[in-house]
Amino acid sequence: DAGVIQSPRHEVTEMGQEVTLRCKPISGHNSLFWYRQTMMRGLELLIYFNNNVPIDDSGMPEDRFSAKMPNASFSTLKIQPSEPRDSAVYFCASSLRGGSNSPLHFGNGTRLTVT
Amino acid sequence: ILNVEQSPQSLHVQEGDSTNFTCSFPSSNFYALHWYRWETAKSPEALFVMTLNGDEKKKGRISATLNTKEGYSYLYIKGSQPEDSATYLCAFPSGSARQLTFGSGTQLTVLP
Repeated sequence: DAGVIQSPRHEVTEMGQEVTLRCKPISGHNSLFWYRQTMMRGLELLIYFNNNVPIDDSGMPEDRFSAKMPNASFSTLKIQPSEPRDSAVYFCASSLRGGSNSPLHFGNGTRLTVT
Repeated sequence: ILNVEQSPQSLHVQEGDSTNFTCSFPSSNFYALHWYRWETAKSPEALFVMTLNGDEKKKGRISATLNTKEGYSYLYIKGSQPEDSATYLCAFPSGSARQLTFGSGTQLTVLP
């Protein structure tokens, strides 16, 4: 089991550019989460998918952020246009099933720097 | 979003000492309580998912207890080792979809 795979590991981009982060969840897991880690706010949930359907996107900061899950094995988080305040580590996580009783399995994260 | 609070924020102990820290959560509408271990430069790793009042779970030298009526969980580490140094996060499902809300964590440093 390769675990949750995120790419890229690091992304440096200039303000105004589009950024796309990618995630492959663990096979067989039907829930996928995008989290953002910052010094100020800790780990905050951006969006949660269950069976490829977005269930809660209330954590997405603004319209510049969008996420898709076209199939059970792939998800993207896009920021367009990016701003320096978007600099953070973005984690993708998956769990076996939705609800609250399944532990989350995290990817290694993407460290985004927007200059 | 309901508040999950952890204390202390940080903790330094000597190798061999036992230690514990606390996670407080709203006691109403309880579903589960998660504990994660997060080493520097790595990603959070699940330790326990606890669902029953009075439950106690153990993984090696680490154990956790749960009191859903009063809304707290304790994490204990027996005989701390330098490799136990990490941030320990608890998380509580909240919201209509019961998505996990994480506490700010307890940063543990075990000094050799």
